[in-house]
Amino acid sequence: RKEVEQDPGPFNVPEGATVAFNCTYSNSASQSFFWYRQDCRKEPKLLMSVYSSGNEDGRFTAQLNRASQYISLLIRDSKLSDSATYLCVVGGATNKLIFGTGTLLAVQP
Amino acid sequence: GAVVSQHPSRVICKSGTSVKIECRSLDFQATTMFWYRQFPKQSLMLMATSNEGSKATYEQGVEKDKFLINHASLTLSTLTVTSAHPEDSSFYICSARGDRALGLFFGEGSRLTVL
Repeated sequence: RKEVEQDPGPFNVPEGATVAFNCTYSNSASQSFFWYRQDCRKEPKLLMSVYSSGNEDGRFTAQLNRASQYISLLIRDSKLSDSATYLCVVGGATNKLIFGTGTLLAVQP
Repeated sequence: GAVVSQHPSRVICKSGTSVKIECRSLDFQATTMFWYRQFPKQSLMLMATSNEGSKATYEQGVEKDKFLINHASLTLSTLTVTSAHPEDSSFYICSARGDRALGLFFGEGSRLTVL
């Protein structure tokens, strides 16, 4: 079993749609959780950290369920510029981060 | 602007040559830097963790004699791919975390193509 698993997609959605991504992790001792965005052939950029209480940043909402060991990202009112690969990232007690393979989102006009 | 600069962004070399990639933290001191590799349609895989002034810690399956890492200063880490082969062709990305930095910052990445 992979340490971090994501549905690779692609998710093809129309502009304005709401889309949700899920990610599961295997290490129950994981302590930090993030969503990164990666555009084609570019470096990953931090989208948001994920907290147990859930957190929201504009159109983006992240949730963490420790009991079930999954993380979610909800994007509301999708924009064309949201098209990218979304990486689920999980960190342990050290600085080591484990990346999921990413979920490709394509927002269609 | 970018807080971690990586150079070169693209390199093409012949099989058997060595390639050095530099990773610099521009506005903070990075006590720890990480080197990742990403093959097409795959996730970022951590290759090694380098701490300033000490030897790098390599992940399982990564040859330390092939991927030489030097973190001689608080703002510079280098990755040298020695005797590169076509299977080493990949996207290499560094990231850095300083003592007081917020989160992990990534370099722009270096695309290596070995002919």
